[in-house]
Amino acid sequence: ELKVEQNPLFLSMQEGKNYTIYCNYSTTSDRLYWYRQDPGKSLESLFVLLSNGAVKQEGRLMASLDTKARLSTLHITAAVHDLSATYFCAVDIRAGNQFYFGTGTSLTVIP
Amino acid sequence: DAGITQSPRYKITETGRQVTLMCHQTWSHSYMFWYRQDLGHGLRLIYYSAAADITDKGEVPDGYVVSRSKTENFPLTLESATRSQTSVYFCASTPGYEQYFGPGTRLTVT
Repeated sequence: ELKVEQNPLFLSMQEGKNYTIYCNYSTTSDRLYWYRQDPGKSLESLFVLLSNGAVKQEGRLMASLDTKARLSTLHITAAVHDLSATYFCAVDIRAGNQFYFGTGTSLTVIP
Repeated sequence: DAGITQSPRYKITETGRQVTLMCHQTWSHSYMFWYRQDLGHGLRLIYYSAAADITDKGEVPDGYVVSRSKTENFPLTLESATRSQTSVYFCASTPGYEQYFGPGTRLTVT
């Protein structure tokens, strides 16, 4: 059974601090995605990582993928309140057709 | 409006009733998906479709039926709703890799 594990599940951090969210998965895959979800809203695509060593950055968020370790990280730099949301990683085992989601990391940034 | 829409956005129904959730996309993406989101489980795939008239089961298909007669529509039917199907349902589509999600339907089965 494919497992996608995120940690931590809950994260409370102060503004200005740095932190990393981890996504481990149990099967071979070269494709991993990060999504953001605000309360009561849909999922918004953040990053698409399509190969080993891929690194993408957008603002205060940076995502990376190590397919050999089956690990992706989402690094938050100098957090601001607007980053408060739930973040999901999803592993794709069949070219966009079979996504398996992690359980999400609920991030709260405290002023 | 361009994109992916779902209807209804909110639905309350009784146990045993049939319910259909609608999904419509304007991009002409071949692949479409239905997920349910529950606390502690993230999103789980119910069914997906590779094209019109081609559908396949996902991780949690029991109790659900799908059809896809047109590329742009992908309805999800709960044939006899149960309380365990109370959830938020998301439809998604993809042009190849990244999936784009609809706004969701919050379904409560009483």
